Amino acid sequence: EDKVVQSPLSLVVHEGDTVTLNCSYEVTNFRSLLWYKQEKKAPTFLFMLTSSGIEKKSGRLSSILDKKELFSILNITATQTGDSAVYLCAVPNNNDMRFGAGTRLTVKP
Amino acid sequence: NAGVTQTPKFQVLKTGQSMTLQCAQDMNHNSMYWYRQDPGMGLRLIYYSASEGTTDKGEVPNGYNVSRLNKREFSLRLESAAPSQTSVYFCASSEALGGREQFFGPGTRLTVL
Repeated sequence: EDKVVQSPLSLVVHEGDTVTLNCSYEVTNFRSLLWYKQEKKAPTFLFMLTSSGIEKKSGRLSSILDKKELFSILNITATQTGDSAVYLCAVPNNNDMRFGAGTRLTVKP
Repeated sequence: NAGVTQTPKFQVLKTGQSMTLQCAQDMNHNSMYWYRQDPGMGLRLIYYSASEGTTDKGEVPNGYNVSRLNKREFSLRLESAAPSQTSVYFCASSEALGGREQFFGPGTRLTVL
């Protein structure tokens, strides 16, 4: 059965810390992996990765995909309280989109 | 641009009542989706519409029906609500199917008593 597993489920850090969020997947016909950030309401898009070893960067956020080992990581450096959110990983499966349960990140001042 | 809009934002139903959740997008996207989000379970796809005139079941379609009214609008109907359908419902859209970025609406929090 296709699945997407994220770890840890929750994480509490202090401002300035660096965090690594994990996403492993098992899907047929892999095409891409997407990361979303969900604050109080709708998820907002962060990255889409399609090729192994390609690192996507956007300011303090970066992500890497390993298609051989079937996982991705999302790194956030110099965390800020505004980074507090649930981070979702998603992998398309045919016409479906399978989401992980998410990692709830709390950044304390 | 409003992006993806949903109505209502909140709803409380009694078991057995029916209701329709409305969704509209103004990005000229071809594909639209309905998800539910439950604690600890992430987002699960209920139904999707690849393009105007087509709809297909997702991972958890039982108890729901959908209508792709036109390219902009995609509604979700609960014919006979059950407590197990208490959830937050999100509508999303994308240019096409195939794992592309999806844009989400603000969600509808539904409680079935």
